[in-house]
Amino acid sequence: DQQVKQNSPSLSVQEGRISILNCDYTNSMFDYFLWYKKYPAEGPTFLISISSIKDKNEDGRFTVFLNKSAKHLSLHIVPSQPGDSAVYFCAASVGHNNDMRFGAGTRLTVKP
Amino acid sequence: DARVTQTPRHKVTEMGQEVTMRCQPILGHNTVFWYRQTMMQGLELLAYFRNRAPLDDSGMPKDRFSAEMPDATLATLKIQPSEPRDSAVYFCASGRSWGGELFFGEGSRLTVL
Repeated sequence: DQQVKQNSPSLSVQEGRISILNCDYTNSMFDYFLWYKKYPAEGPTFLISISSIKDKNEDGRFTVFLNKSAKHLSLHIVPSQPGDSAVYFCAASVGHNNDMRFGAGTRLTVKP
Repeated sequence: DARVTQTPRHKVTEMGQEVTMRCQPILGHNTVFWYRQTMMQGLELLAYFRNRAPLDDSGMPKDRFSAEMPDATLATLKIQPSEPRDSAVYFCASGRSWGGELFFGEGSRLTVL
């Protein structure tokens, strides 16, 4: 069963604009959420996380928003850069690094 | 520069052969995960360990897959017998159960002919 869902397989945005990647989850026990970025032929690398006690976490150009009532989180990248082009995975776990589940990924393309 | 090390990076084998993938987690990490990357499922959780004890391997086809941690520096994922549908990239990741994120290895690309 897919407990973490990323319904958009791909997203294309213009350089300098905002990229918004979305993620939904079904397990209400999840309390720790992360975004990972993956380039071809490499392993995923951690980007940003948020605990369920918060609704927003910001790190430079990256902001993650969490809506617990809707079981939805999103990643905003502002401004988008061509180097941001990658596959972005949403992940969720119960506590830190326990039974961490990933979505199917969204391929972001930022056009110059 | 601590990192998760996976071997082999690439493996081509014939259907029916045994395949063993190895992972060296980052020193001090007490959780280890095995994921398989597929187009449809994304990163599919196969198994994970905490303090070397298996906590969940429900994502693995039990008849052919097995995962073990013989010691704190080695995790293995074995497929016997392998089938063409097992062709994928297999990732190992490690982390700390009390905080922080998971660190991934570079993956083992398996092709079963």
